[in-house]
Amino acid sequence: AQRVTQPEKLLSVFKGAPVELKCNYSYSGSPELFWYVQYSRQRLQLLLRHISRESIKGFTADLNKGETSFHLKKPFAQEEDSAMYYCALRSGAGSYQLTFGKGTKLSVIP
Amino acid sequence: GAGVSQSPRYKVAKRGQDVALRCDPISGHVSLFWYQQALGQGPEFLTYFQNEAQLDKSGLPSDRFFAERPEGSVSTLKIQRTQQEDSAVYLCASSTDSISNYEQYFGPGTRLTVT
Repeated sequence: AQRVTQPEKLLSVFKGAPVELKCNYSYSGSPELFWYVQYSRQRLQLLLRHISRESIKGFTADLNKGETSFHLKKPFAQEEDSAMYYCALRSGAGSYQLTFGKGTKLSVIP
Repeated sequence: GAGVSQSPRYKVAKRGQDVALRCDPISGHVSLFWYQQALGQGPEFLTYFQNEAQLDKSGLPSDRFFAERPEGSVSTLKIQRTQQEDSAVYLCASSTDSISNYEQYFGPGTRLTVT
């Protein structure tokens, strides 16, 4: 069975400090990994996906198959980054079901 | 354009009551998903529709949960004889049928409280 683990429920950082939100997964095949974000009083929305290899709002995430990780990083945190972040896995092309982690609440201290 | 909408946004039900939660997906989206998000947890998959066909209902927690999408657009999640453990936010999401550009667009959710 596939599983997504986000070890930190809450992460507090100062504005301008680097941010790393951890995500580990267990799946025997070649998954697709996503980061979803939920800002206060807004709906869940896609932040980025590993196959796009893009940077969104300064965030990047690299899929490390050896460590089965997909950590989300940003070099300089901004106050507007404060939100709930969910890592999610899809078991590959042709699959549709997303498996989410429990989420990490990021709080950026001004 | 309009995103996924859900109604009601909040629902309080007494234990044993039946509830119906509605989802209006983005127009033209073929795929529709229901998730259950308990407090402090991530969303958990309940069921999946492709057009009007329910292709996967493996995540429905019991036979008290029933979902339909009769015309391939609006979907309804029905919970019969609600229990306290059914209290959660129920999220609906829709997507195009494109495997190569897969993204699920989420609605605002319905918060169900069973008293």
